[in-house]
Amino acid sequence: AQSVSQHNHHVILSEAASLELGCNYSYGGTVNLFWYVQYPGQHLQLLLKYFSGDPLVKGIKGFEAEFIKSKFSFNLRKPSVQWSDTAEYFCAVSGNTPLVFGKGTRLSVIA
Amino acid sequence: EAEVAQSPRYKITEKSQAVAFWCDPISGHATLYWYRQILGQGPELLVQFQDESVVDDSQLPKDRFSAERLKGVDSTLKIQPAELGDSAMYLCASSLTANYGYTFGSGTRLTVV
Repeated sequence: AQSVSQHNHHVILSEAASLELGCNYSYGGTVNLFWYVQYPGQHLQLLLKYFSGDPLVKGIKGFEAEFIKSKFSFNLRKPSVQWSDTAEYFCAVSGNTPLVFGKGTRLSVIA
Repeated sequence: EAEVAQSPRYKITEKSQAVAFWCDPISGHATLYWYRQILGQGPELLVQFQDESVVDDSQLPKDRFSAERLKGVDSTLKIQPAELGDSAMYLCASSLTANYGYTFGSGTRLTVV
């Protein structure tokens, strides 16, 4: 069965700091990888996705993620966070089953 | 931008009562999912439909939960009887094909008292 691990439960950063959120998955076959964001009081929104090709994926709002197959990882990055990036971030994977989500990482950006 | 519609947005119900949630996916999306998100955790799949057929309901507590998508369009998720542990956000999502990018609705926040 697929599983997703997000190692950071809560991350606190100052504005303009760089962000990296870890995501590791367990699945032996071909996977599709996703990052979703949930702003306070809003629904889940897709940040970016990886299906195949270039392992460095660029998404909305300046986010990017890198798929490293040998490490079963799909870490999310942003060079400079803003206060408006405060949200919950979920990594998710689908292989031959529906999306399986990690437990999420809460990001708090302070001025 | 097309959206997945869910109602109600919030629901408070007493323990042992019946409750139902409704979802209208994006037009043309054959695959529909119901997820449950407990506070502080990631969403967990309850049931997956392909058109009107259930593809995966292995995680659905069938003694109290039921889901249907009679005409392969909108869907209803029912809980009867509700228990305190059912308090959560119930999310509906749809996609063109299974395991492609999903679009989520705003969810129904259920509180059982």
